[in-house]
Amino acid sequence: AQSVTQLGSHVSVSEGALVLLRCNYSSSVPPYLFWYVQYPNQGLQLLLKYTSAATLVKGINGFEAEFKKSETSFHLTKPSAHMSDAAEYFCAVSTPGGRRALTFGSGTRLQVQP
Amino acid sequence: DGGITQSPKYLFRKEGQNVTLSCEQNLNHDAMYWYRQDPGQGLRLIYYSQIVNDFQKGDIAEGYSVSREKKESFPLTVTSAQKNPTAFYLCASNMGGVGEKLFFGSGTQLSVL
Repeated sequence: AQSVTQLGSHVSVSEGALVLLRCNYSSSVPPYLFWYVQYPNQGLQLLLKYTSAATLVKGINGFEAEFKKSETSFHLTKPSAHMSDAAEYFCAVSTPGGRRALTFGSGTRLQVQP
Repeated sequence: DGGITQSPKYLFRKEGQNVTLSCEQNLNHDAMYWYRQDPGQGLRLIYYSQIVNDFQKGDIAEGYSVSREKKESFPLTVTSAQKNPTAFYLCASNMGGVGEKLFFGSGTQLSVL
């Protein structure tokens, strides 16, 4: 079975500081991994995805994530936080040969302080 | 513009009542999905459909029903058997491939009167 765990339901950073949101996955086969962002009362938008090509994946709005098989991790980073980055972030996984639907983590709410 | 439309944006349910949430897409996607979002629990899969006239239960299907009579439409009915229906419901779609991104609607907030 596939699953993801997001450590930290709330993360607070200062504007201009590094953003690090953690995601660990569980999968018996090489997974596909995704990060989505949700602004208040809206649906989700894709930030980036890993599908077994380059292990360092660059996404929109300056975000990137690195797939580390040895650590079963796919952490999301951004070098310098902006006020507009305040939102909820979800990690998700799917696996070849498995259920054709994404399994989501519990989410991390990012707060950016001025 | 292509996209996914969910309606209504807000919905209220009385005790013992069934309510239906609408989801329509004009992206020509084969697959459609319903997720339930509760604070602190992320998104949980209710039902999904890979093709017309076929659908599968997700992780929390009890108390819900769906139909897929048309490619564009995937309505979700919250039945009276669902004892805790208050949540934000999200519909999504894609072409059905495992590594494909999901396109989401803007959601329906369901509350119990």
